[in-house]
Amino acid sequence: DAGITQSPRHKVTETGTPVTLRCHQTENHRYMYWYRQDPGHGLRLIHYSYGVKDTDKGEVSDGYSVSRSKTEDFLLTLESATSSQTSVYFCAISEASPGELFFGEGSRLTVL
Amino acid sequence: QQQVKQSPQSLIVQKGGISIINCAYENTAFDYFPWYQQFPGKGPALLIAIRPDVSEKKEGRFTISFNKSAKQFSLHIMDSQPGDSATYFCAARASSGSARQLTFGSGTQLTVLP
Repeated sequence: DAGITQSPRHKVTETGTPVTLRCHQTENHRYMYWYRQDPGHGLRLIHYSYGVKDTDKGEVSDGYSVSRSKTEDFLLTLESATSSQTSVYFCAISEASPGELFFGEGSRLTVL
Repeated sequence: QQQVKQSPQSLIVQKGGISIINCAYENTAFDYFPWYQQFPGKGPALLIAIRPDVSEKKEGRFTISFNKSAKQFSLHIMDSQPGDSATYFCAARASSGSARQLTFGSGTQLTVLP
């Protein structure tokens, strides 16, 4: 399995609070992605990174920000969580753009 | 805006049967069509992929059929096994432009009965 660790794996928070999800890789892959998975919508791209400090928006980026200060870490931040952001969040990595994606095991976020 | 439409949403097949999942797309700039398999509690993993210059690709019991003119592609699982029970996602990637990221279908939950 690709060396991808997501943390936390489960989180319950309240509306209006900030939340940060972390993705850590040990594969030294250039590209990193954050997806959200919701029933009936499949996987939707939130943000992606093509290098340290190089990021771009995906399909559903509103309400999310990201940062990548090191090759191995990609952070997803919800500045003020809303109930519509209740979802399972997956981090993925790839060597090429996009090439084969290797996914983490997901972070389940519940916003009450 | 869903650029890749996947059906059915769920599928129940008897052991030994054939599972068929279909996807359709509209963007003619798509040039790479992978299928991902996801088991409960896990992240998706690449199962098989095809490029539009071939009409079929087979890997073991899994086959992708591709119809470029109809803008459709499908996954066939032959001799389906209970261990194949999972959620399957089709996806597509644009050949150029800033949005060369994968667009996923909505997923099909496959259950193979023993």
